[in-house]
Amino acid sequence: ETGVTQSPTHLIKTRGQQVTLRCSSQSGHNTVSWYQQALGQGPQFIFQYYREEENGRGNFPPRFSGLQFPNYSSELNVNALELDDSALYLCASSQRRGGNTGELFFGEGSRLTVL
Amino acid sequence: KQEVTQIPAALSVPEGENLVLNCSFTDSAIYNLQWFRQDPGKGLTSLLLIQSSQREQTSGRLNASLDKSSGRSTLYIAASQPGDSATYLCAVPHQTGANNLFFGTGTRLTVIP
Repeated sequence: ETGVTQSPTHLIKTRGQQVTLRCSSQSGHNTVSWYQQALGQGPQFIFQYYREEENGRGNFPPRFSGLQFPNYSSELNVNALELDDSALYLCASSQRRGGNTGELFFGEGSRLTVL
Repeated sequence: KQEVTQIPAALSVPEGENLVLNCSFTDSAIYNLQWFRQDPGKGLTSLLLIQSSQREQTSGRLNASLDKSSGRSTLYIAASQPGDSATYLCAVPHQTGANNLFFGTGTRLTVIP
């Protein structure tokens, strides 16, 4: 059983650029969630995808968007990068049963630095 | 809106000591509570998940309790080891099984050899 994998592990961008982060969910999981973790803070929910559709969104602007593919992998896209977007981006997968997301399993994260 | 608080923010103990980490939440309408461990610059490792109908869960030297009515959870670590040094985070979803977890800011634990 493979765990949650994310790529790239680190990347540096400049203000105004766009970035795509990728996540492969754990085997058997059908739900992917994305979180942003600023230094010294707890993770903040960005959005969740279930069956290739966005299934809930946190307080993030529309320039944060995502996709989920038929194999349940996912992408997080951020347009028009700002300095405050510098953070660790975490992907979590879970097996949704009924209305409950279930236990979340996280990847190692992608560290984004915006200069 | 759910708010999760963890106290203390940092804790330093000698090896072998038993310790308790605290987590409180403002909205008791939760479906479950999950404890995570995070090493510096790394992702989150799930430690324990307690369903709202349960009072505690145990895994090895870890024991987590949940008192939903008072909005509190504790993580007990027995016989601490230097390898336990990390940040410990608790997180709760809303009772509706909503997809987003609310996280505390964590307790940074250092176990001194």
